[in-house]
Amino acid sequence: GENVEQHPSTLSVQEGDSAVIKCTYSDSASNYFPWYKQELGKGPQLIIDIRSNVGEKKDQRIAVTLNKTAKHFSLHITETQPEDSAVYFCAANLFMDSSYKLIFGSGTRLLVRP
Amino acid sequence: NAGVTQTPKFQVLKTGQSMTLQCAQDMNHEYMSWYRQDPGMGLRLIHYSVGAGITDQGEVPNGYNVSRSTTEDFPLRLLSAAPSQTSVYFCASSYRASGSGDTGELFFGEGSRLTVL
Repeated sequence: GENVEQHPSTLSVQEGDSAVIKCTYSDSASNYFPWYKQELGKGPQLIIDIRSNVGEKKDQRIAVTLNKTAKHFSLHITETQPEDSAVYFCAANLFMDSSYKLIFGSGTRLLVRP
Repeated sequence: NAGVTQTPKFQVLKTGQSMTLQCAQDMNHEYMSWYRQDPGMGLRLIHYSVGAGITDQGEVPNGYNVSRSTTEDFPLRLLSAAPSQTSVYFCASSYRASGSGDTGELFFGEGSRLTVL
């Protein structure tokens, strides 16, 4: 069936290092790919999104890359800081049961060690 | 603006009981949705609405009902609670209600933690 797969499920990095989280999706017609950050006890918040008319988008220390041919997209965080520790979710708009729906991956728990 | 408000924050039910999780937004958003979050399974879409009077099923709709009589409110009803419905529930809204699934930025509530015994 249609889905979004996310890897790794947990990621531990040293402060200052880079972190990369990868997602794959199944629907070749998908064209919207957001990333959300969820801090403990809170709802997710959008940190960056990309649409299929571009291959890369940056916002300060955060970047997202998209490879539509391979149907995968990645989140890159550079110069990680302890406050980047959180759960990160990717998502994509997939065609399921006769309509498009925004479907999330299973999440990555990122720990940045001081 | 309060954003997206969910009530209650915590609830304990017995198997077979019914209840309604409330969600209200004051941003005049057309799109509203409900997700459930379970360990290791991310956020799974239950139901969504692209405007008042319009609702559709998500990935895991069984056991849940919704209605959208106003732009502001999108309640989620559990008719006969089961232990498998123990979860954290999030309501989310966005201004963008296109049919492509491109919702634009979703604004999430703080969640409702439900335990079914």
